[in-house]
Amino acid sequence: SQQGEEDPQALSIQEGENATMNCSYKTSINNLQWYRQNSGRGLVHLILIRSNEREKHSGRLRVTLDTSKKSSSLLITASRAADTASYFCATAYSGGGADGLTFGKGTHLIIQP
Amino acid sequence: DGGITQSPKYLFRKEGQNVTLSCEQNLNHDAMYWYRQDPGQGLRLIYYSQIVNDFQKGDIAEGYSVSREKKESFPLTVTSAQKNPTAFYLCASSTYYAALNTGELFFGEGSRLTVL
Repeated sequence: SQQGEEDPQALSIQEGENATMNCSYKTSINNLQWYRQNSGRGLVHLILIRSNEREKHSGRLRVTLDTSKKSSSLLITASRAADTASYFCATAYSGGGADGLTFGKGTHLIIQP
Repeated sequence: DGGITQSPKYLFRKEGQNVTLSCEQNLNHDAMYWYRQDPGQGLRLIYYSQIVNDFQKGDIAEGYSVSREKKESFPLTVTSAQKNPTAFYLCASSTYYAALNTGELFFGEGSRLTVL
């Protein structure tokens, strides 16, 4: 399986600190995406990084991709209470589309005020 | 506002009953998907449809059925053949380009099904 696996499973930090979560996968990918899920809600797409990109920014989010290590990291800077959620990485394999999107089990992030 | 509407948000079912979850989108997306999410787990693909009147099985299609008679609608029926149906069900959609290339998905708010 080329399912992405997030690490850590859970993370608790103080408001204002930076939060880093990681995703590892097993096979070649077309792109890697990060999604956020608030408790009991649907997923929201955060950012997509293609296999030929190494770093991407969106507001307070920074995503890196290391295809040699088959890993990605999501950094949330200056965390806020509203960032409390589960974060999932999803990998799209080479040549595949949305039907081949594979989700990890997620990192549950808690921002303490 | 454009989006995906799932209903009902909560649903209770007795064993042996079929139930249908509704998913409607007004994003003009060609492709639609159904995922199942269990506690502490990632999403697993049940069925997807890239065009009206056509759909394909995902990884865990057994015990489920779908139809795609309209572009906007992709209902999911959980049949009595599904042995462990209690879960959170998520509907998603994407553009045709994303469906074939990037895979970026837009999700509804989910429906939680509990079997009594």
